[in-house]
Amino acid sequence: AQSVTQLGSHVSVSEGALVLLRCNYSSSVPPYLFWYVQYPNQGLQLLLKYTSAATLVKGINGFEAEFKKSETSFHLTKPSAHMSDAAEYFCAVRASVSSASKIIFGSGTRLSIRP
Amino acid sequence: EAGVAQSPRYKIIEKRQSVAFWCNPISGHATLYWYQQILGQGPKLLIQFQNNGVVDDSQLPKDRFSAERLKGVDSTLKIQPAKLEDSAVYLCASSFSRDRETQYFGPGTRLLVL
Repeated sequence: AQSVTQLGSHVSVSEGALVLLRCNYSSSVPPYLFWYVQYPNQGLQLLLKYTSAATLVKGINGFEAEFKKSETSFHLTKPSAHMSDAAEYFCAVRASVSSASKIIFGSGTRLSIRP
Repeated sequence: EAGVAQSPRYKIIEKRQSVAFWCNPISGHATLYWYQQILGQGPKLLIQFQNNGVVDDSQLPKDRFSAERLKGVDSTLKIQPAKLEDSAVYLCASSFSRDRETQYFGPGTRLLVL
């Protein structure tokens, strides 16, 4: 079975500061991992995904995430926050061995940006 | 390329009433998903279709929820009768195939049950 835990339901950073959103996963098989972003009143948009290639994954809007198997983590980072980054962010996991397995989402982290 | 379309965007009903949501996926996408997103939580998969067949409906409350995708294109999700705890955003997503990890989400339907 797969699961994800997002540490911190709300994170607030200043504009220009480092963004760090934490995600830990649990999976009995090698996982595929995802970060999605959700802007107010919109659906989810894929930021980046890890599918067992490079452990450092670069996504859209300057975000990146590093897969650390030893720590079972897939934290999302961005060097310099922008006001437009304010949104809800979801980490998600899927088993890699079965194409029929579902994606399991975390409970989300709301990112606020202070001017 | 047009995205995933959903309607209505908002719906308010009273408990025990019925409601239906419609989704039109991206053209050519064989796999369609319905998710329920309760306030403060991540989306939870309700049902997954591959063309017009059901792949996974293990988390669909079948006593009150039903979904169909008769022609393998658009889909309808129905709740009958609705309960207060069904208040949520219902998201539709599609992907080219179930082997493709990238799912494209629609804007969702926000349901409030009074």
